Amino acid sequence: AQTVTQSQPEMSVQEAETVTLSCTYDTSENNYYLFWYKQPPSRQMILVIRQEAYKQQNATENRFSVNFQKAAKSFSLKISDSQLGDTAMYFCAFMKPFSGTYKYIFGTGTRLKVLA
Amino acid sequence: DTGVSQDPRHKITKRGQNVTFRCDPISEHNRLYWYRQTLGQGPEFLTYFQNEAQLEKSRLLSDRFSAERPKGSFSTLEIQRTEQGDSAMYLCASSLATGTVYGYTFGSGTRLTVV
Repeated sequence: AQTVTQSQPEMSVQEAETVTLSCTYDTSENNYYLFWYKQPPSRQMILVIRQEAYKQQNATENRFSVNFQKAAKSFSLKISDSQLGDTAMYFCAFMKPFSGTYKYIFGTGTRLKVLA
Repeated sequence: DTGVSQDPRHKITKRGQNVTFRCDPISEHNRLYWYRQTLGQGPEFLTYFQNEAQLEKSRLLSDRFSAERPKGSFSTLEIQRTEQGDSAMYLCASSLATGTVYGYTFGSGTRLTVV
């Protein structure tokens, strides 16, 4: 069974600085997808970035980038030039494709607070 | 399209009562998911529909839980004889079958409090 671990329950960062959120996972699969979702207070969860395991190149989306280390089963999220609107819970998630269900296995989340 | 809608946003109920939640997915999305999120935890998969067919149920979905998606449109999640342990955020999400690997669209959730 797959597991996802986020070892940082809470983090804070000054506005305009860079922060890295950690995620490790365990799987015996070779082909899978990894995601970071953001859940602002009292608002819906939105996709931040995704990574296909068969791609060696790390995904980037504007200020958000990942460091994907497949052998180490590590998938960290880097947020550059942090903004107050980045304050949220961040969840790392694993998806096994072609399983029929395409369900997520989520980590327990990291609460990020961006300080003015 | 206004995204995935969930109703109600909040529900407080007494232990033993039945509750029903509704989810309206994005209209062209044929896949619909229910997840449960308890305090301090990430969302956990409950069940999944492709069109009107319920194709997988988690072991978390006890006999007191039932979900439907008539006509492959909106979905309902009913909890009978609620218990305090049912207190959680219930999240609905949808996707196109061809686009699921690109992520879901989540609703804002229904927060259930059982007192």
